[in-house]
Amino acid sequence: AQKVTQAQTEISVVEKEDVTLDCVYETRDTTYYLFWYKQPPSGELVFLIRRNSFDEQNEISGRYSWNFQKSTSSFNFTITASQVVDSAVYFCALSETGYNKLIFGAGTRLAVHP
Amino acid sequence: DGGITQSPKYLFRKEGQNVTLSCEQNLNHDAMYWYRQDPGQGLRLIYYSQIVNDFQKGDIAEGYSVSREKKESFPLTVTSAQKNPTAFYLCASSMPGLNTEAFFGQGTRLTVV
Repeated sequence: AQKVTQAQTEISVVEKEDVTLDCVYETRDTTYYLFWYKQPPSGELVFLIRRNSFDEQNEISGRYSWNFQKSTSSFNFTITASQVVDSAVYFCALSETGYNKLIFGAGTRLAVHP
Repeated sequence: DGGITQSPKYLFRKEGQNVTLSCEQNLNHDAMYWYRQDPGQGLRLIYYSQIVNDFQKGDIAEGYSVSREKKESFPLTVTSAQKNPTAFYLCASSMPGLNTEAFFGQGTRLTVV
């Protein structure tokens, strides 16, 4: 069975703090894809990153970085020097090879206070 | 600008009524999806369509119906059989190929009154 767990329901930080959002997944496939999406208050989901199971290199994009570890089935997301505009709900998702269906975690609500 | 348009943004329905949510995309994507989001929960897949005139049930299809007569359009009907329809509904489409990222509309918030 496929499953995505985001154990942190809500996180509250003060601006400029670093914050890590955890994501743990379960799948029987050896080939799969992992995603992160951001849902701002306006409602639409904004794509942040896609990673396939064969690429364990960490990725950095500006203040965002992602740490993929197959050994622990985790795909964590770190925001460095958080800003108020980072306040949103963040979703981790999984899709197995051959399918475009996404399996979402419950999401983590991040509140960044000035 | 290319994107996905959902309408209306807010929708109120009386119990026992069917209601149709609109989703249109001009991204030339083959695949389209409907997800339901409840407070504190992740998105759950209702229906998806990989190609025109074809669609499959997702994880929570009961009480919903869809059609895919045109590539650009994938309307969702919430029928009276759906026992708890109040939720936020998101439409998405994805690029050709497998395991590609999905692009989402701004959602429709449906409330049963």
